[in-house]
Order: sequence, then C-alpha cells, then structure tokens
Amino acid sequence: QKEVEQNSGPLSVPEGAIASLNCTYSDRGSQSFFWYRQYSGKSPELIMSIYSNGDKEDGRFTAQLNKASQYVSLLIRDSQPSDSATYLCAVTPGAGSYQLTFGKGTKLSVIP
Amino acid sequence: GAVVSQHPSWVICKSGTSVKIECRSLDFQATTMFWYRQFPKQSLMLMATSNEGSKATYEQGVEKDKFLINHASLTLSTLTVTSAHPEDSSFYICSALASGRNHEQFFGPGTRLTVL
Repeated sequence: QKEVEQNSGPLSVPEGAIASLNCTYSDRGSQSFFWYRQYSGKSPELIMSIYSNGDKEDGRFTAQLNKASQYVSLLIRDSQPSDSATYLCAVTPGAGSYQLTFGKGTKLSVIP
Repeated sequence: GAVVSQHPSWVICKSGTSVKIECRSLDFQATTMFWYRQFPKQSLMLMATSNEGSKATYEQGVEKDKFLINHASLTLSTLTVTSAHPEDSSFYICSALASGRNHEQFFGPGTRLTVL
C-alpha cells in the first residue's frame, strides 16, 4: 500500500523563524511531489511542486526532494502568522497516473 | 492562471432530495478532474476520478449510483448526490488536472453540503 507520512504536529514556530516540514513516501517509483496548504474550513491550495532531486525555491518557500531517501521537505522562511495552516504533502505515482496520495498533514502554528 | 471554481459554495437540502455540484476549470482545459470529500478534522478522501467523455472511476466503498459524475466537457465536471441523507453532509471538493502545467492539480473552493 502506497503511503505518505507526515508528523501531524502541531508544529509551533515564532514569527520570523524558519518552519521545517517533512514528509516520507513509500513508493520508490513516485515521480511528482507537491505541497499544499489548507486553512481550516477551506480547500487545499498548491504552493510548491517538485519533480527532481534537489532544492526548488519560490519566494519564502523552498521544497527539497531526495528520491534515494524517499524524503520531501518544505522550508518556510520568515514565517508569518498567516502561514498558520495545515500543510499537506502529496505524491503521484507516475506511469500515467496522476492521482494524488496525501499525507495526513502537519498543522503549523506561527506564534506572533 | 489555473483557477477552478465550484458552485454552489454551500447548500442545505432536505433528506431525500438530490443536489448537483459543478466544478469548472476557468482558464485551462482539464481532461481529468477528481472529486474528494472531507469530514471535519479528517483527511481528504478521494471519491472518484472523472475523465472527459468517459465513465468516472470510483474508489472502493463509494456508491456510483448515489454519487453520479458527469464530465461532459473539457472544463466542466458535475457531481450529483442523489437521495441525500444526513450522513452525506460533508465538504465536497473537486480538483482539476492541468496537463499543460506538469500535471499539477488545482482545487476548487469546495461545496459545503448540509442535509437536514
């Protein structure tokens, strides 16, 4: 069974700090990796996608992928209270399938 | 770009009635859309995969005769909850696959269904 694991949290960081969110996946053949942000009562919002090993930066967000270790992470620099949300790691298997397998999410709380 | 809309955003209905939810990709074509359901404080649960011009593929345990899906065009998929009951009350969310954007999946804002 293909699984995506995340720490449920809550992860609390002070405003201005770096928040580090981690995710591991079981299917070694996975090809696409995504981070979504979900505010309470709202739908998920795509914030980062990554497809190859290494780092990908977009503004205050950096996604890191290590396929050998089956590990994906998301760093949020200069964390703001508005970043407080649940962050969902999602993976697609590739081979023509684009169905997302989600982790259960990590709840992030940024303390002013 | 990559905007997905859903309508209605919320609906309250009586038990036994049917409710139709529309999901539209506004600025891209989506041959594949997905329907999810989310109960309070729980994870997203995939209900079905909707492919334009063909029958939807339902996940195990999801009744295809109760949750009717139609994907008649490259920008519109509909989910009809037939003979709704209070246990169908949930947050229904669609997503659309943007094949022109590395197959990223974009979510609609969701529809909150309450069945009395």
